[in-house]
Amino acid sequence: QVQLAESGGGVAQPGRSLRLSCAASGFTFSKNGMHWVRQAPGKGLEWVAVIWNDGSDKYYADSVEGRFTISRDNSKNTLYLQMNSLRAEDTAVYYCARAVGGYKGKGDVFDVWGQGTMVTVSS
Amino acid sequence: IQMTQSPSSLSASVGDRVIITCRASQSISNYLNWFQQIPGKAPKVLIYAASNLQSGVPSRFSGSGSGTDFTLTISSLQPEDFATYYCQQSYTTTFTFGPGTTVDIK
Repeated sequence: QVQLAESGGGVAQPGRSLRLSCAASGFTFSKNGMHWVRQAPGKGLEWVAVIWNDGSDKYYADSVEGRFTISRDNSKNTLYLQMNSLRAEDTAVYYCARAVGGYKGKGDVFDVWGQGTMVTVSS
Repeated sequence: IQMTQSPSSLSASVGDRVIITCRASQSISNYLNWFQQIPGKAPKVLIYAASNLQSGVPSRFSGSGSGTDFTLTISSLQPEDFATYYCQQSYTTTFTFGPGTTVDIK
């Protein structure tokens, strides 16, 4: 069945880095755009980043632009989020989500989500 | 694009009709999705493109609207529907979520 599984979360000090991974299975990964969405403890959902199916374009939320990098390896069916210069406000559960139905992002529907991985930024 | 929702929370009983509204700060045509999130779980898409029911979602959920104003309706609230609901625009590559509406038991 279609599945996404995030990994790589943990505790990091402010200013340090973490890399999250999202392993995809059960579908042709190279055909879908992919997103990262995060949720701070007790807060709502915040979109983080998107990458097109072929990796040709990427967009970021203003809150992470210049610090986070989204990438993918279609040969490994894996999505990544490199998080640098981490801040306390980056503390959240990070979800990866598959996009369907859209064109260049417009109309994307996040139809499959992973279970999330927790990132805690604290000294 | 900013997204707002009202109410921020509501209390309702099983069998009640529940309506949640979502407003965009500018026209987003029908590029509006609704998600349900149960505490401790990942979000689940209910409605896409404002009014289309996602496969597998019960027909008591429905969506309407276009432009800037949208609604999610639950025709007869069931015990498993107590959750937080989020709208989200996919008109621009900022994919903004609304702040959420929590539906709890009256």
